[in-house]
Amino acid sequence: KQEVTQIPAALSVPEGENLVLNCSFTDSAIYNLQWFRQDPGKGLTSLLLIQSSQREQTSGRLNASLDKSSGRSTLYIAASQPGDSATYLCAVANSGNTPLVFGKGTRLSVIA
Amino acid sequence: GAVVSQHPSRVICKSGTSVKIECRSLDFQATTMFWYRQFPKQSLMLMATSNEGSKATYEQGVEKDKFLINHASLTLSTLTVTSAHPEDSSFYICSARGRNSPLHFGNGTRLTVT
Repeated sequence: KQEVTQIPAALSVPEGENLVLNCSFTDSAIYNLQWFRQDPGKGLTSLLLIQSSQREQTSGRLNASLDKSSGRSTLYIAASQPGDSATYLCAVANSGNTPLVFGKGTRLSVIA
Repeated sequence: GAVVSQHPSRVICKSGTSVKIECRSLDFQATTMFWYRQFPKQSLMLMATSNEGSKATYEQGVEKDKFLINHASLTLSTLTVTSAHPEDSSFYICSARGRNSPLHFGNGTRLTVT
């Protein structure tokens, strides 16, 4: 059974810092991996989707990498801003038809 | 704009009553819908998977008689929490997938049972 772990559970950084969020998964035979942002009491915003054949995806200040063989992904946020404060969720799909399996998330606080 | 509409966004109900949550796909036919539940500071946990026209498949530990899922059309799935109790208070979120479309999430429903 696929399990997703995210470290750290919470992170507080001053504005402007670069930071890395970590995600690991137990079954490396994934179909894709996705990073989401969730604001308190809100739904999910998809940030980056990495297919199993890809190594990384970039969008603006965000870069997500995938090392499928070791079961790891990282989300790199450059030049963090207070508006980046949210919970970041990592989720994996084992096939194109199966549901996403989520980690518990990393609660990020960027202090002005 | 949103491609999956979930209503209501918030609901407060008394213990013992039932609550229905709707999830609609707006511009695609949702052949499969997934219902998740999220307790505070916890991950999204899959409750059930529903395919249009078929009975939902529930995850272990989820009571199918308490959480009724109906997916009678390709654009609508409903989750009814029957005889709700305070421990059912949670954030419920649906996601939908079409034959040729990626997975889309609704904005979630915050249920509070008093």
